[in-house]
Amino acid sequence: DVVMTQSPLSLPVTLGQPASISCRSSQSLVHSDGNTYLNWFQQRPGQSPRRLIYKVSNRDPGVPDRFSGSGSGTDFTLKISRVEAEDVGLYYCMQGSYWPPKTFGQGTKLEIK
Amino acid sequence: EVQLVESGGGLVQPGGSLRLSCAASGFTFSSHEMNWFRQPPGKGLEWVSTIDHSGTTVYYADSVKGRFTISRDNAKNSLYLQVNSLRAEDTAVYYCEREGYCSGATCYPDLWGQGTLVTVSS
Repeated sequence: DVVMTQSPLSLPVTLGQPASISCRSSQSLVHSDGNTYLNWFQQRPGQSPRRLIYKVSNRDPGVPDRFSGSGSGTDFTLKISRVEAEDVGLYYCMQGSYWPPKTFGQGTKLEIK
Repeated sequence: EVQLVESGGGLVQPGGSLRLSCAASGFTFSSHEMNWFRQPPGKGLEWVSTIDHSGTTVYYADSVKGRFTISRDNAKNSLYLQVNSLRAEDTAVYYCEREGYCSGATCYPDLWGQGTLVTVSS
C-alpha cells in the first residue's frame, strides 16, 4: 500500500498569513496514464469533507483561489496564500494513483493563532 | 437539489450487522462510480469501498474484505453498504461520496453525504 505522510500535523496560523502543508508518498504517484492522482480535502469542524484540489494542482469548482496545490512524484504541497477564519479545520491528502486501497495522510489541523 | 443522504447507522453489538444506505438525488446516479469512506471518532479518513457505475466491479479495503458488501440500485438511485461481523474498530462515521468530475468544459465538485454513525459496543 502507498503510505501518505503529512507535515505538520498541527498548524497554527495568524489570520492573513500564508500556510503550507506537505504530503509525501512512499512511492511515486505518477500513474501509467501520465496523470498523478493526488487530491487534497478540507474538513471543517462538524462538517463532511470536501475535495479542494485534484490531480495535484487543479482547484475544484467553488474553491477560493487562495488555495493552490503543487508537487510531483512523491512530494506535494497545499498552500493557502492568506488564511481566513473559515479555513480552520483538518486537511488531508489522498492518493488515487495506486489503488486499492486509496490512502490518506494523517491529517493536518489548521487553527488560528 | 444535488445531494447524498445516508441512513442506517446505529448502536450494534460486536458481531452484529447493519445495512447502510445512501440516497442520491439531483444528478444521474447511474453514471457515477461511488465510494464509502469512514472516520472513527477523533481520527482521520479511511477509504472503505468503491463500486463502479453499473455495480459490476467492486473494491474493498483489506480491513473490511469478507465482512462488508457494497451494492447499488440504480433504479432507486441508492447505494448500500452491508456491514457484517462488526468489531469495535469499525466504530466510525460512514460517508458515501461521488467524486468530482468534468463533463466537457464544465467541472463539478465532489459530493459527500452528512455521514451516518455506526457504534459497535456491548
